[in-house]
Amino acid sequence: KQEVTQIPAALSVPEGENLVLNCSFTDSAIYNLQWFRQDPGKGLTSLLLIQSSQREQTSGRLNASLDKSSGRSTLYIAASQPGDSATYLCAVRRNTGNQFYFGTGTSLTVIP
Amino acid sequence: GAGVSQSPSNKVTEKGKDVELRCDPISGHTALYWYRQSLGQGLEFLIYFQGNSAPDKSGLPSDRFSAERTGGSVSTLTIQRTQQEDSAVYLCASSLVPGGGAFSYNSPLHFGNGTRLTVT
Repeated sequence: KQEVTQIPAALSVPEGENLVLNCSFTDSAIYNLQWFRQDPGKGLTSLLLIQSSQREQTSGRLNASLDKSSGRSTLYIAASQPGDSATYLCAVRRNTGNQFYFGTGTSLTVIP
Repeated sequence: GAGVSQSPSNKVTEKGKDVELRCDPISGHTALYWYRQSLGQGLEFLIYFQGNSAPDKSGLPSDRFSAERTGGSVSTLTIQRTQQEDSAVYLCASSLVPGGGAFSYNSPLHFGNGTRLTVT
């Protein structure tokens, strides 16, 4: 079974700061890893997807890295804005089976 | 185009009643997932459909839960004899391909806004 952990559970930063969110997983035999954001009362929005053969993906101010051997991924957010406030979740897809395994998320608050 | 649509957005039901939750995936998406999100918990996998293959029901918590996907498109999750512990947000997601396998490259999951189920 795949266990996915996200630390910290909550994070509060002033606007403009760069920040890093962490995701760790126990089984390195993964097919891909996705980062999502979830706004209150909403579903999840996909931010970045990293295939197991990739080391990082970038989209705008977001950069996600993947170190499969150590079971870790990070989501780097540059120049944070109040609109970045949301819960960020990571999910991994193992090489076998159909489901994605989700962490419990990091709740981010960016203070204006 | 339209995203994943779920209905109803909110459902309040009495303990013991049956409920049906609907998911309309993005057109052309062959893979469909149901997840459950409880307060303070991570997302819990329930069931997975891919094309015409037999669904992966390994995440269904009890035989009170069932799901169908008609015509490879709309899916319905049914909970019979609801219990208070069934209260949660039920999320549906679809993707163009399963997110795994030889033909996958960038196939992110697209989620609906969920159905918030409250069992009183």
